[in-house]
Amino acid sequence: QQQVKQSPQSLIVQKGGISIINCAYENTAFDYFPWYQQFPGKGPALLIAIRPDVSEKKEGRFTISFNKSAKQFSLHIMDSQPGDSATYFCAASIQAGTALIFGKGTTLSVSS
Amino acid sequence: DVKVTQSSRYLVKRTGEKVFLECVQDMDHENMFWYRQDPGLGLRLIYFSYDVKMKEKGDIPEGYSVSREKKERFSLILESASTNQTSMYLCASAKGTGVYGYTFGSGTRLTVV
Repeated sequence: QQQVKQSPQSLIVQKGGISIINCAYENTAFDYFPWYQQFPGKGPALLIAIRPDVSEKKEGRFTISFNKSAKQFSLHIMDSQPGDSATYFCAASIQAGTALIFGKGTTLSVSS
Repeated sequence: DVKVTQSSRYLVKRTGEKVFLECVQDMDHENMFWYRQDPGLGLRLIYFSYDVKMKEKGDIPEGYSVSREKKERFSLILESASTNQTSMYLCASAKGTGVYGYTFGSGTRLTVV
């Protein structure tokens, strides 16, 4: 079965610190790896996405690092802020817009 | 902005009832998806559709069916609701394949009693 394994399940980071969430996948046909951010009472929203032809993608304080040989990718949130407190999901699919397989999520709390 | 609207925010149904969850998107997206979200289990794919009248099973289709008679509307049907179908149901849509990610609705919290 296609799986995406996400860790840790929960994370507490001090304001200004770096939050790191890791994911691993099995299916080498996956070609699109997004991260979604979800606030309580809302649907998930696309945060940032990467394809395996690049090893890193940065958007503001959010960076995806991708290791194709290890079949792993991670989200780094620099200078974490209380407003970043949310649940984060990694996901993977064969193409953008097609059926996504999600990790189980990481609940991030940024303490002030 | 793309909008994905789920008809009900909260829903309470009785065991054995037939339940319809409606999802409408307003940006001419080809692809639509239904997920359920449970604590500790993340988002699990129930059904998806890449075109009108087309449907594909996801990872957990048992006890569910779907209908897509129009491009903008994707309905999830619980044929005979059971307590283990109590969950948050999320609908999403995407513009074709290869470029864009999903846009999610705000979800329907279904409780089966």
